[in-house]
Amino acid sequence: EPEVTQTPSHQVTQMGQEVILRCVPISNHLYFYWYRQILGQKVEFLVSFYNNEISEKSEIFDDQFSVERPDGSNFTLKIRSTKLEDSAMYFCASSEAGGWTEAFFGQGTRLTVV
Amino acid sequence: GESVGLHLPTLSVQEGDNSIINCAYSNSASDYFIWYKQESGKGPQFIIDIRSNMDKRQGQRVTVLLNKTVKHLSLQIAATQPGDSAVYFCAENGRGGADGLTFGKGTHLIIQP
Repeated sequence: EPEVTQTPSHQVTQMGQEVILRCVPISNHLYFYWYRQILGQKVEFLVSFYNNEISEKSEIFDDQFSVERPDGSNFTLKIRSTKLEDSAMYFCASSEAGGWTEAFFGQGTRLTVV
Repeated sequence: GESVGLHLPTLSVQEGDNSIINCAYSNSASDYFIWYKQESGKGPQFIIDIRSNMDKRQGQRVTVLLNKTVKHLSLQIAATQPGDSAVYFCAENGRGGADGLTFGKGTHLIIQP
């Protein structure tokens, strides 16, 4: 069964460093998303991406965050200068279409900022 | 602010019994609702969805009920199995799709043997 894959599974970084979280969405999907989940809290929407541009973003997704689809298979989330409060599980998701279609989530990358 | 939330943080049921997980939402403009299951160490897994023009939808062993009058959503799981143990989230969207889903905090369903 096709699945969304994320690497690495766990990333430890020092405060102020840049990190790039990587995702390979399901191959025929056109819509891509990043969500995050701080330990013990709700899953929160960060950004959605379609047709090589951001289609929606939340208040969390400030200038420190960026997304990119550098090639036909990868979808990345970059945090330029990490803060302690960026520590969370980051989930990538993809869907075949917009509208009322199922989104598939990856296993997540646990980011720990020290 | 508007939010989606769950009534109970933990629900414990006997294996084989039916379980009901509840969710309240406050955004009257929401028109798409989804239940996700999250097992330990994994990402959210889609269970079932429902649009606001429906009040009931059934899947395999799961049923979602939507009461727009009181802005309440529930997930019924029939004949629970050990594999049903997980955290269940409701999520809503005012636009359809997975864009900007608002998730509830989650209910931890524990299946007792």
